Amino acid sequence: ILNVEQSPQSLHVQEGDSTNFTCSFPSSNFYALHWYRWETAKSPEALFVMTLNGDEKKKGRISATLNTKEGYSYLYIKGSQPEDSATYLCAFRIWPSGTYKYIFGTGTRLKVLA
Amino acid sequence: NAGVTQTPKFRVLKTGQSMTLLCAQDMNHEYMYWYRQDPGMGLRLIHYSVGEGTTAKGEVPDGYNVSRLKKQNFLLGLESAAPSQTSVYFCASSYPIQRGGPDTQYFGPGTRLTVL
Repeated sequence: ILNVEQSPQSLHVQEGDSTNFTCSFPSSNFYALHWYRWETAKSPEALFVMTLNGDEKKKGRISATLNTKEGYSYLYIKGSQPEDSATYLCAFRIWPSGTYKYIFGTGTRLKVLA
Repeated sequence: NAGVTQTPKFRVLKTGQSMTLLCAQDMNHEYMYWYRQDPGMGLRLIHYSVGEGTTAKGEVPDGYNVSRLKKQNFLLGLESAAPSQTSVYFCASSYPIQRGGPDTQYFGPGTRLTVL
């Protein structure tokens, strides 16, 4: 059974704190790992797509790393702001052959306190 | 570009009623998807389509049917609604890896469905 796990489920941080969370996925048949940002009452929006072991992506204060051999990705937010409050989802794409497999984790819910 | 749109935004049904949710995308994406989102469960794939005229079952297909008669539209039908189908439904589309795309999914705004 393919499973994508995210931790922690939720966290609260103070404005200005840096934080990080984890996405764990099966290391076999890996093709891509996606990160999405999902604000309350909106729909998920793509942050990053990572395909190579060791990939690092950055967008403003948010960055992500990928380790396909051990099956995890980290998302970092530097100097959190209240507008960073959202649920952060990762999704795991296996090698694109046969039945389509694109599996979402249940997300990490971040609340940044002003 | 409107991106991915969904209609309706909200709907209340009685048990046994039927309805169709419409998803439309203007990005010329090959793949389209229907998900449901329930508390603590994350996004679960109901059905998906890899092109016009094709559909396939996802993780939780029971009680739903879909059609993709035009590339830009993907319809989700509930023939006989049940309270267990109360959920928020999201449509998404993507330009797949197999066609050289990034495979990133673009989501619609969601439809909140309540079945009494």
